[in-house]
Amino acid sequence: ELKVEQNPLFLSMQEGKNYTIYCNYSTTSDRLYWYRQDPGKSLESLFVLLSNGAVKQEGRLMASLDTKARLSTLHITAAVHDLSATYFCAGTRDDKIIFGKGTRLHILP
Amino acid sequence: ETGVTQSPTHLIKTRGQQVTLRCSSQSGHNTVSWYQQALGQGPQFIFQYYREEENGRGNFPPRFSGLQFPNYSSELNVNALELDDSALYLCASSPGLAGAHEQFFGPGTRLTVL
Repeated sequence: ELKVEQNPLFLSMQEGKNYTIYCNYSTTSDRLYWYRQDPGKSLESLFVLLSNGAVKQEGRLMASLDTKARLSTLHITAAVHDLSATYFCAGTRDDKIIFGKGTRLHILP
Repeated sequence: ETGVTQSPTHLIKTRGQQVTLRCSSQSGHNTVSWYQQALGQGPQFIFQYYREEENGRGNFPPRFSGLQFPNYSSELNVNALELDDSALYLCASSPGLAGAHEQFFGPGTRLTVL
């Protein structure tokens, strides 16, 4: 059974700083997703990572996938307040998407 | 192109009642998945419907049931509501089975059980 763990679960950081969110998964995942969720809102797809070594970037966010280590990372560069949200990673197996508990990111001005 | 829509937006029910939530999939999508998201938690997979058939189910009791129609819209039915059923219910559609295709999420239905 696929299990997905994120850390940290809560992150408070200053604007302008860099940080990384980690996503470990327990067994083979067909693909790895990163989502953003603002309070009371739905999920916004950020990245889909399909293969080992995949790296995708959008603005100040960069996601990578290491299938051998069963690890994905979401790196935030020079954080800005607008990036404050909860970020989820999710793996897929047997046509199910399994989410981590999320990382609540709070960026201080 | 219309995105995924859900209705109603908010709903308040009492314990023991039954509820039906609705989801219209994005144009061209034949798969709908339902998720329950309790406050402060990640979404939990309930089940997936592919071409009108259930295809995969998470750890939810039988009182959670669903349906998918020929136009690929879907319903989630929950019987004998319990307080712990209070959550945001999200549906997501995709152009094929969720394991192999990106899903697009609707805005959700906030269910409160009193």
